[in-house]
Amino acid sequence: SQTIHQWPATLVQPVGSPLSLECTVEGTSNPNLYWYRQAAGRGLQLLFYSVGIGQISSEVPQNLSASRPQDRQFILSSKKLLLSDSGFYLCAWSDDRGYNEQFFGPGTRLTVL
Amino acid sequence: AQKVTQAQTEISVVEKEDVTLDCVYETRDTTYYLFWYKQPPSGELVFLIRRNSFDEQNEISGRYSWNFQKSTSSFNFTITASQVVDSAVYFCALYSGSARQLTFGSGTQLTVLP
Repeated sequence: SQTIHQWPATLVQPVGSPLSLECTVEGTSNPNLYWYRQAAGRGLQLLFYSVGIGQISSEVPQNLSASRPQDRQFILSSKKLLLSDSGFYLCAWSDDRGYNEQFFGPGTRLTVL
Repeated sequence: AQKVTQAQTEISVVEKEDVTLDCVYETRDTTYYLFWYKQPPSGELVFLIRRNSFDEQNEISGRYSWNFQKSTSSFNFTITASQVVDSAVYFCALYSGSARQLTFGSGTQLTVLP
């Protein structure tokens, strides 16, 4: 069966510090991968998605970047965090057909102080 | 453009009551997919159901049922005999070929009181 891992679970970082969140998927190959942010108030915002190694699409301009160095690894990064980067970050995967259901990881709660 | 509206921000019911969560969507595509997810307090989104636009049959899974009506662009979710463990935020979502991404509604916070 497929599983998706995210780490760390919780992170508190000062403004201006770098960020690296990691997501890995097991039990599937060539998945589509997604990063979402959920700010207070519940709405989910798609940040990035990837259909293959090295292929990243960005949905909104922002202080963050994403990379996919391996088929089942997706990394969310920032060089300098802003207060507005605080939120709950969720990684998800779907099969390569895109319209099928996405399965979400446990999330990382990021607080920028 | 596609859009999903969950007009109910918060709903509170007493255990064993039935509750319906509303979802209205907008898309110009004729082929699209609708989803419901549950987000318990732990935060992880749990997939509940996927429906394609050509299948309007209602679905029942235990205490959960879904009513898909293309005529009103709605995909409502009913929990029968609610339980405290049903307390969560529920999201409706839409995928269409033109948008090529999942668009989520703003979610409905359901609280089931003992």
